Amino acid sequence: GQNIDQPTEMTATEGAIVQINCTYQTSGFNGLFWYQQHAGEAPTFLSYNVLDGLEEKGRFSSFLSRSKGYSYLLLKELQMKDSASYLCAALDSNYQLIWGAGTKLIIKP
Amino acid sequence: DGGITQSPKYLFRKEGQNVTLSCEQNLNHDAMYWYRQDPGQGLRLIYYSQIVNDFQKGDIAEGYSVSREKKESFPLTVTSAQKNPTAFYLCASSTPQGYQPQHFGDGTRLSIL
Repeated sequence: GQNIDQPTEMTATEGAIVQINCTYQTSGFNGLFWYQQHAGEAPTFLSYNVLDGLEEKGRFSSFLSRSKGYSYLLLKELQMKDSASYLCAALDSNYQLIWGAGTKLIIKP
Repeated sequence: DGGITQSPKYLFRKEGQNVTLSCEQNLNHDAMYWYRQDPGQGLRLIYYSQIVNDFQKGDIAEGYSVSREKKESFPLTVTSAQKNPTAFYLCASSTPQGYQPQHFGDGTRLSIL
């Protein structure tokens, strides 16, 4: 079956760095997305990786290893507004998105 | 500004009643999607449409119906057959190329009276 695993909840301190991991098992693979979702709001797109390696976009970076079925989202210089859920989603061979349950990130002052 | 508009923001359903959630987009996207999100869970696909007058069932289509008569509009009806409809419903759209990100509306929160 198809499956996405990510931690349920993580806590970090304002100004620090946090890495949110995601492992996936899909029928075929056409890339991996990360979305941010604040409580009660719609998800917003953060990144898309299809090739191995690190993509940096400001304070956020996303990494992919296709051979390991693994990705992570790295958030630097954490701010209180980064408190949100982070959703990992893999695109399978039919170009359907398989969603993880999300990681709730709590930022403490 | 282009975007996706979902209405209403909050909706209450009585037992045995059908309710329809509206989703309109002006992004000129061909593909549209309906998701259900339960507390602490990820998104589950209800229905999707890649083109006008065509739509496909997702993973949890039972108790739901959709139509796609116009490119801009993809309404979702939650029928009385859906026994546990309380959830957060999200509509999304994208270009047909699957590797393009989906854009989401602000969601509709449906509760049972």
